Amino acid sequence: EPEVTQTPSHQVTQMGQEVILRCVPISNHLYFYWYRQILGQKVEFLVSFYNNEISEKSEIFDDQFSVERPDGSNFTLKIRSTKLEDSAMYFCASSDSRYGYTFGSGTRLTVV
Amino acid sequence: KNEVEQSPQNLTAQEGEFITINCSYSVGISALHWLQQHPGGGIVSLFMLSSGKKKHGRLIATINIQEKHSSLHITASHPRDSAVYICAANTDKLIFGTGTRLQVFP
Repeated sequence: EPEVTQTPSHQVTQMGQEVILRCVPISNHLYFYWYRQILGQKVEFLVSFYNNEISEKSEIFDDQFSVERPDGSNFTLKIRSTKLEDSAMYFCASSDSRYGYTFGSGTRLTVV
Repeated sequence: KNEVEQSPQNLTAQEGEFITINCSYSVGISALHWLQQHPGGGIVSLFMLSSGKKKHGRLIATINIQEKHSSLHITASHPRDSAVYICAANTDKLIFGTGTRLQVFP
């Protein structure tokens, strides 16, 4: 069964450092999403991406966040200057319509 | 008020019991998802519903669009069913509920 692959599975970074989280979505999917889950809280939407551009972003997705598709297959989420409150599990997901989702296994980001 | 509400928040059951988890939503949706999250954190899609009922093994999901309510049932529960079960409303993105933590004891 096709999978969404996320790397790294775990990242520890110093506050103020830049991090790049990577995702390889399912190849024929058109819609891509990043979500995050702060420990003990519910999953929150960050950004959606369609046709090589951002289709929607949440209030959380401020100027320190960016999303790119650098080579047409990989999909990255960059956090420019990490803060302690960015510590969370980050999930990417892809969809072949706007309905069926496949999630990656997540990247646990710890900012110290 | 949360746009997606789940109940109960926590659920403990003995092996073999019939489990029901409820989800109510207040937004207009194209579909309703039931997801499973294990302690390691990964999220697995169980069902996507836009009407009626779906069944997969011991899991059954139903939705009532008029009442904006969905239920997830687990028949003959087993300890391996222990996980967090999350409903999520599909608008242009997923709006998640807070999850129901299920523990099934032998």
